[in-house]
Amino acid sequence: GENVEQHPSTLSVQEGDSAVIKCTYSDSASNYFPWYKQELGKRPQLIIDIRSNVGEKKDQRIAVTLNKTAKHFSLHITETQPEDSAVYFCAASGIGGFKTIFGAGTRLFVKA
Amino acid sequence: IAGITQAPTSQILAAGRRMTLRCTQDMRHNAMYWYRQDLGLGLRLIHYSNTAGTTGKGEVPDGYSVSRANTDDFPLTLASAVPSQTSVYFCASSPGLAEGNTQYFGPGTRLTVL
Repeated sequence: GENVEQHPSTLSVQEGDSAVIKCTYSDSASNYFPWYKQELGKRPQLIIDIRSNVGEKKDQRIAVTLNKTAKHFSLHITETQPEDSAVYFCAASGIGGFKTIFGAGTRLFVKA
Repeated sequence: IAGITQAPTSQILAAGRRMTLRCTQDMRHNAMYWYRQDLGLGLRLIHYSNTAGTTGKGEVPDGYSVSRANTDDFPLTLASAVPSQTSVYFCASSPGLAEGNTQYFGPGTRLTVL
C-alpha cells in the first residue's frame, strides 16, 4: 500500500540554525503534500503545502521543496526559534482519493 | 464559528464497553476522517467519508465503525473496547477535491481503555 517515510524522527538544533526534515512517498499518483505542526497536547495544524506542479514554495521562514521524479519532499525552517519546537508531520495525497497518508513525525527541539 | 469539535475531551473506559466519539464540523466540508495517534506511529487513518451517506475504511479500521447521516456529523463507535484502542483520536475534515486535501483537525479525544 501507499507509504510515507519521514526522517529524522528527532532533530535538535540551536536557536538561529536551520532545520531540515525529509520525506519520501511511494504512490506516484500523489500530487498534494501538506506539512502539519503539532505542539504538545494540541491538534495538528497546517503550516505549508505544495502541489505537484511546483518545485518549491516559501512562507517567511518556512519552505518546502518537491522532487517528483525522486518522490521526495522536504521542509526547511530557517532562523529557528524556541517556539518552533513541536512535532512536524509530512503527508501525501492524490486527486481522486481523499485519503492522506502521514509520515510518522519528527520531533524538533530548538535550544535557546 | 466553531470549526470542528470533538466530544468528550477525554474518557476512561472499561474493556468490553461500547463507546461513541462525537465529531461535528460547521464548515460544510464534504470529507471527514478519523485518525488515531499513538506515540512513534504518527496519525493512522481509521475511517473516512467522502460525502454524507458514504464511508470507507482506512489503514486500521478493525474494531471501529462510523456513520455519516449528514454533512456535519461523523461519529466513531467502538463496539466493544479493548486496551489496544487506548490512544488519542482526532477527527478531521476537508473541502472537496477542487480545494485540495488540506485537513482541519479537531482538538482530539484522549481515550484510555482499562
